[in-house]
Formats: sequence, C-alpha cells, structure tokens
Amino acid sequence: ETGVTQTPRHLVMGMTNKKSLKCEQHLGHNAMYWYKQSAKKPLELMFVYSLEERVENNSVPSRFSPECPNSSHLFLHLHTLQPEDSALYLCASSQQGARTDTQYFGPGTRLTVL
Amino acid sequence: AQKVTQAQTEISVVEKEDVTLDCVYETRDTTYYLFWYKQPPSGELVFLIRRNSFDEQNEISGRYSWNFQKSTSSFNFTITASQVVDSAVYFCALSESSGGGADGLTFGKGTHLIIQP
Repeated sequence: ETGVTQTPRHLVMGMTNKKSLKCEQHLGHNAMYWYKQSAKKPLELMFVYSLEERVENNSVPSRFSPECPNSSHLFLHLHTLQPEDSALYLCASSQQGARTDTQYFGPGTRLTVL
Repeated sequence: AQKVTQAQTEISVVEKEDVTLDCVYETRDTTYYLFWYKQPPSGELVFLIRRNSFDEQNEISGRYSWNFQKSTSSFNFTITASQVVDSAVYFCALSESSGGGADGLTFGKGTHLIIQP
C-alpha cells in the first residue's frame, strides 16, 4: 500500500483544455513536491511546498499552476499545454522538506497532450 | 554539469547472475546524501536506500548491496542472484545540504535493468 496516491493515473487532454492533477499523502509529512519525467531525461523538479508554502519554483512555465491547500494535498492545475508537456508527473512527500529528507513518491500521472 | 551520472543506459542479464549498477556524483558540499530508487513498469519510484556522506560503510539488504566510495565519488548498487522481478529502471540521486529551504533531489538518467528468465 502506497503512502502517496495520485489521480488520475492517465490523462489525455487537448491543448485548449484545463485539467488538474491531484496528489494525496498519508504519511503525515510536511513537504510535497511535483516532478516531471520525460522520456530519456532525468526527473526534473517543478515545485516544492513546505508547510503549505511554496519554497522553490524552478522556472516552470505559467501554464502549470500548483496549489497546496494543506500538508496532505497537492494539486497541479494545467491549462493551454503543449505537446512537449506530455510526460509522467510524479508527486512526492517528505518529513520536513529538508534537503536531506527521504522523499516518497506516488505512482504518477501519465499525461498526453494532443 | 551533470551532478549524477549513470553511464549504463541499459543492462540485460540472465536470471541468477549478479549485476552492478554504477553511479558517479559530483558535489562541492562536504555534507550530502545519496539515494537509490527503483521504478518498475507501474511508474512509482520505490525508495531503496539513503546514505549520508559521512558513512562510508557498505550496506547489505538481502540480495541488494551498496558500495559507497568518496575517493571516486561513486555509489554503486549490486544485485546478487538477480530475479525477473528486479527488472526496472533504477535511479541514483543526490541531495546537497548547502543553501536554505527545501529542495528536490538531483537524479541521474537511470539504468534500465532487464533480467531475462
């Protein structure tokens, strides 16, 4: 049983659609992360939240908008995406958000942008 | 400059063989952490091990073992008597302690391990 869940597991959307990815962690952690995994590229950190406040934003395009309403839930709102945004989006959580914490990952959402 | 290098893109071995996955890292910090994760076809990254830079003792967990050598900046992972269920993509990752605030991990590109029956 995983401590981090993500929905939906698969999503197909057009470039004009608006959709949201959801992540929930059941580990009692205080930090949550969004990563993007594209084919043949290393995982890229997109956003970090610690105690519901955004700590880092690694120059992600504004068509990706994160939301963290509480320490257990994290959303990624998507709008006017491009085909190159097709990827596996992984959510993770860690105890305190310290750089040395172990991060625990969810199963990911496979996104296809047509 | 790439901070975590996994030079082996894909490795294929026959079941029961031993296999070593290489990881070389680069950092200026004296305090840092290294991780290995497994990603099976289902997609979820499964945490395997976390090692801090001050602990160079090798670690063994069942069929898995890790060899950390600061002198060569390497943190290699060996699977003994491999099994088909070990087939996955394995990622090495680095977390550095410098700077403030939360941060993510720096991952290597991964090694796709195929265990043939």
